[in-house]
This record gives sequence, C-alpha cells and structure tokens, in this order.
Amino acid sequence: QVQLVESGGGVVQPGRSLRLSCVASGFTFSRYGLHWVRQAPDKRLEWVAFIGSPQNNEKYVDSVKGRFTISRDNSKNSLFLQMNSLRAEDTAVYYCVRDGPHYDLDYWGQGTLVTVSS
Amino acid sequence: QSALTQPPSVSGSPGQSVAISCTVTSTDLNNYNRVSWYQQPPGTAPKLMLYEVSNRPSGVPDRFSGSKSGNTASLTISGLQAEDEGYYYCGSGSAGTWVFGGGTKLTVL
Repeated sequence: QVQLVESGGGVVQPGRSLRLSCVASGFTFSRYGLHWVRQAPDKRLEWVAFIGSPQNNEKYVDSVKGRFTISRDNSKNSLFLQMNSLRAEDTAVYYCVRDGPHYDLDYWGQGTLVTVSS
Repeated sequence: QSALTQPPSVSGSPGQSVAISCTVTSTDLNNYNRVSWYQQPPGTAPKLMLYEVSNRPSGVPDRFSGSKSGNTASLTISGLQAEDEGYYYCGSGSAGTWVFGGGTKLTVL
C-alpha cells in the first residue's frame, strides 16, 4: 500500500531554516510528481510546491519563492523541502502528497508540524 | 489563476443528504472539469474522495457523489453517518500548481 511519511518538523525562530523529509513506499517513486501542501491553524489548505518526474521541474506558490526549495532523491524514495528565512505565517502542518493520474492528489502523508515562533 | 469558494459550514442529521458547493473562478476553462474533493476527519490527513468532478477512487462509498452545474461543482453525501463529520475541501490543479477552497465543516447533528 502507498505510504508517505514526513519528518523534520519542529519549533524554529523566525529567520531560521528547517528541512522537511518525506519517505515513500508502496509505489514506483520515480514515476510520480510530488507536492508539499500545508494546513495553517485556521484549517485552510495551501499548496506550497511541486516537483515533477522525470524532468524534476519545480513550481512554488508565490509566498515561498526564493525561500523554499523542493527536491527529491529517487534512489532513496525521498522528497525534501528546504525552508529558509522562515516567517510566523509559515506555521502549519506540512503534508507530502502524491500527484495522481486524474488531476488529483491521490495520497497524503500524515503531516509534520512546523511552528515558527520566537 | 483560479479561485475556489466553499461555504464555511453545513450540517445534517444521520440518514439525511447534504451538498457542499465549490464555485470555481478561473481563466482556464479546463479547471472547471478538474475539481477534486478531499475529506478530513478530525485529527487525520486529507483523503481523496472524488476526482474530475464526479469520479470515485476505489474504496470510496457510493454515498459520495459529485456533479457540476456551470462553474459550481458539488459534493453530495447521502445517508449521512456520524463518521462523515469533518472538513471537506475542493481543489483544482493545473501544470503542477494547485488551489483549494477554504474548506467546509460538516457537522452531523
């Protein structure tokens, strides 16, 4: 069965950095695009970033461009999100999500909480 | 650019039917047919319930159905059960970028 397991969340001060990881299993990792989607405390979902496969094209929401970098390591079935210059408004649960075959997001991880606070 | 608008809350009694709307505003007409729906019970991650407006992934009960009229997609839950309580989100993606509605909280009375 498809599994996506995130890690790396925590409490961090504004302006600092954090790196999230997601390890996948149960499918051929290299064949799928992957996303990071976050959910703020008010429950709103916000798409954050996408990385394609096999071309590894990257897309970002405007609010994180220049601060966040998405990457993947197909040899380790892993997805990453490097988050720099963190702000209070980046506080959210971050989900690793598989890009599905029908203009959908077909599998979601359990999420990892990032709290940006001084 | 797209925007998706949902009502903040709906409610219904067990056994009843409820509908949640998602109004799509987009410059890309294809986005109107690419609406998917996600269920999020309390304390869990979102789960795909419908894709491309009205298609159910394997394992999703047929109590969940989708439709579209003009620029508004709807998720209908029939035979409401207590376990259906939670948040529901519509979303639409294009070329790797996604936008979501604000979410609708479903309360089962």
